[in-house]
Amino acid sequence: GAVVSQHPSWVICKSGTSVKIECRSLDFQATTMFWYRQFPKQSLMLMATSNEGSKATYEQGVEKDKFLINHASLTLSTLTVTSAHPEDSSFYICSAIINEQFFGPGTRLTVL
Amino acid sequence: QKEVEQDPGPLSVPEGAIVSLNCTYSNSAFQYFMWYRQYSRKGPELLMYTYSSGNKEDGRFTAQVDKSSKYISLFIRDSQPSDSATYLCATPSNAGGTSYGKLTFGQGTILTVHP
Repeated sequence: GAVVSQHPSWVICKSGTSVKIECRSLDFQATTMFWYRQFPKQSLMLMATSNEGSKATYEQGVEKDKFLINHASLTLSTLTVTSAHPEDSSFYICSAIINEQFFGPGTRLTVL
Repeated sequence: QKEVEQDPGPLSVPEGAIVSLNCTYSNSAFQYFMWYRQYSRKGPELLMYTYSSGNKEDGRFTAQVDKSSKYISLFIRDSQPSDSATYLCATPSNAGGTSYGKLTFGQGTILTVHP
């Protein structure tokens, strides 16, 4: 299947700092990528839809000014968690679409 | 009521057992149903998807949809230790949507197959 990568796989940051997470489609172009968040022992919750060349669409309850999404090219979408706080600690997973939805390996964010 | 509900388990079975994983959904307009497998600290991978009602078989895995009761199941035959993972059911977030659009996931069932 198609490959989606994420970087970093794991990040620890101090409260109040910003963290950028990259999602790349390695062997295909994706005009649409999704960002999900998964808390321990809970399911994936869709945060936003990232569209190449246009603004992201956020799900209800997700703060767009806190979770900045930039779909800079057909193979790269970034999620920036601004002014991170401990409650933002979670597993962030992206997915990209080509005939099927392929998920990245996830990024574990820990905010101290 | 959550759109997709799944018993989180955990479920522990001996190697070789038949495993039954189940979900219920609320929107009768859903037509696509997916099962994903997620290993620890990894992203989900698509196992199977079904359209409408009936059974679909792929090797040791069988997906079943009962639209009359809004119930979906995944059966694993001859379970192996390598099947130990979290299994997530999912539906499109929008009625009429497909598996490559926005998805709504169940809570996931943690399965352990012990030798």
